[in-house]
Amino acid sequence: GNSVTQMEGPVTLSEEAFLTINCTYTATGYPSLFWYVQYPGEGLQLLLKATKADDKGSNKGFEATYRKETTSFHLEKGSVQVSDSAVYFCALNINAGNMLTFGGGTRLMVKP
Amino acid sequence: SQTIHQWPATLVQPVGSPLSLECTVEGTSNPNLYWYRQAAGRGLQLLFYSVGIGQISSEVPQNLSASRPQDRQFILSSKKLLLSDSGFYLCAWSRGDTTNEKLFFGSGTQLSVL
Repeated sequence: GNSVTQMEGPVTLSEEAFLTINCTYTATGYPSLFWYVQYPGEGLQLLLKATKADDKGSNKGFEATYRKETTSFHLEKGSVQVSDSAVYFCALNINAGNMLTFGGGTRLMVKP
Repeated sequence: SQTIHQWPATLVQPVGSPLSLECTVEGTSNPNLYWYRQAAGRGLQLLFYSVGIGQISSEVPQNLSASRPQDRQFILSSKKLLLSDSGFYLCAWSRGDTTNEKLFFGSGTQLSVL
């Protein structure tokens, strides 16, 4: 079956630190990969996505590269801000119909 | 613009009581609709999805059911809640005419079954 594994949190960083949140997946075919973010008190929203191997998704300073050889889609940001504090979910989609398989989520806390 | 409304935001129910969570979408037609649940310490799990009125598919066997009485209304129900039904429930929609489109989520319902 399909599954997504994320590093457990919480991840606590100081402002302007470098961020990496690891995500690896197993899938029976060729998935599309996503990062969703849930800010405090809000619903989930799409942060970035990549649909094929070696694609790089990017948004709001965040990046993630689809690595087929390592089945990974790690989320990175060069300099985090307090406003980046949220829960981040890695997800994959292998079927038509946009049904996602999510990882467990990683809480990021950025301190001033 | 499209919006999704989900209510209530929080709910505390006794074991054995019924449940009804409602989700409505505005500003689009014929969306795909989804119910997800996040149990404590676990990832988001797809419970139900619907591609049209009256069309419901269940991903996992459980104590819950879903209905879509109108094009932009999706309801999650239970006749008798169990303790294990506690969790954070999210409704979502996506455009029905394409694949790999992003999901738009509601703000969620925190359900505590006591």
